[in-house]
Amino acid sequence: RKEVEQDPGPFNVPEGATVAFNCTYSNSASQSFFWYRQDCRKEPKLLMSVYSSGNEDGRFTAQLNRASQYISLLIRDSKLSDSATYLCVVRGAGGSYIPTFGRGTSLIVHP
Amino acid sequence: DAGVTQSPTHLIKTRGQQVTLRCSPKSGHDTVSWYQQALGQGPQFIFQYYEEEERQRGNFPDRFSGHQFPNYSSELNVNALLLGDSALYLCASSLPGTGNGYTFGSGTRLTVV
Repeated sequence: RKEVEQDPGPFNVPEGATVAFNCTYSNSASQSFFWYRQDCRKEPKLLMSVYSSGNEDGRFTAQLNRASQYISLLIRDSKLSDSATYLCVVRGAGGSYIPTFGRGTSLIVHP
Repeated sequence: DAGVTQSPTHLIKTRGQQVTLRCSPKSGHDTVSWYQQALGQGPQFIFQYYEEEERQRGNFPDRFSGHQFPNYSSELNVNALLLGDSALYLCASSLPGTGNGYTFGSGTRLTVV
């Protein structure tokens, strides 16, 4: 089983739609969780951290369920510019600072 | 304030050759990590350098080696290139001690023919 698993998609949605991505992780000792965004042929960039109580940043909401080892990202009112790959990232098992990346979920927002 | 810089941006090599990729970390960062990202996959951790030593290593063969210099810049060397080494190689730097502030460079796209 991979350490971090994501549905690769692609998710193809119209502008204005709400879309949700899920991610599961295998190591229950993981400490920190993030979502990164990667545009085509570019480097990954931090979108948001994920906190136990859930957190929101504008149209983006991240949730963490430690019991189920599950992370989610909800995007409301999708924009064309949201088209990208969204990478789920887990860090900190065993005191390691090394982030482990999922393979990413591709989102395509169309007019 | 320069972010993470990598060179070269693109590279084409032949099977069996050797390649060296370079990375300068963001100002204030002393830790450098290298990742390999194949097409359609997430970045895979190769190794991390701190205080000029390899601190942690992922599941990559010994053909992959690295170095960190006193100014915190780093090199990734790959020997005996295989077609499967074709990928985007990403360097990330982070803050001392905590691993926070993980910032990626724009990567080097290596094609092995």
